[in-house]
Amino acid sequence: EAAVTQSPRNKVAVTGGKVTLSCNQTNNHNNMYWYRQDTGHGLRLIHYSYGAGSTEKGDIPDGYKASRPSQENFSLILELATPSQTSVYFCASGEDWGDTQYFGPGTRLLVL
Amino acid sequence: QQQVRQSPQSLTVWEGETAILNCSYEDSTFNYFPWYQQFPGEGPALLISIRSVSDKKEDGRFTIFFNKREKKLSLHITDSQPGDSATYFCAASDPGYNKLTFGKGTVLLVSP
Repeated sequence: EAAVTQSPRNKVAVTGGKVTLSCNQTNNHNNMYWYRQDTGHGLRLIHYSYGAGSTEKGDIPDGYKASRPSQENFSLILELATPSQTSVYFCASGEDWGDTQYFGPGTRLLVL
Repeated sequence: QQQVRQSPQSLTVWEGETAILNCSYEDSTFNYFPWYQQFPGEGPALLISIRSVSDKKEDGRFTIFFNKREKKLSLHITDSQPGDSATYFCAASDPGYNKLTFGKGTVLLVSP
């Protein structure tokens, strides 16, 4: 079965600090995604990747960077965290051609 | 611009009733429509999906009805159970793009 894990599961950060959210998948999927989920907005795509070394901007990339150092790992980086980035972040991996995506359990981030 | 819209925002039905969740989209190039189910504290998980070449997809108590001309689809949950209480997301993708566009979700509550 598909396996996507995220760390940390909960994070409290200070405004202006750097935050790194990590994601690991054991599905050997080429595609990986970072979403944020906020009440009233559903799931919004931040960054995605087609494979190791590639990152693409999603629909709301401002204030976020992404890194895909290997097939298995995809990180989301907040260089200067702001309170508006308080949210629940989900990582997903997916098969080619945008079909089924498998989501991790989420990371709850609070920026004070 | 919201490309995938869901209604209602929330829905309450009694156990045993049929719940109907609606979705509409704007981009006529969308050809794949998955529905994801999310329980509190978890990541979304694929429930059922349909491609635009079909007008109906059934999986147990869950059925998708698709109207390509009107750019609308609906998810019917028959014999609703309290365990079906969750948030349901409609999503869409078009050929050649490895990403999904999600609606804002419908929160379903099934009362015993």
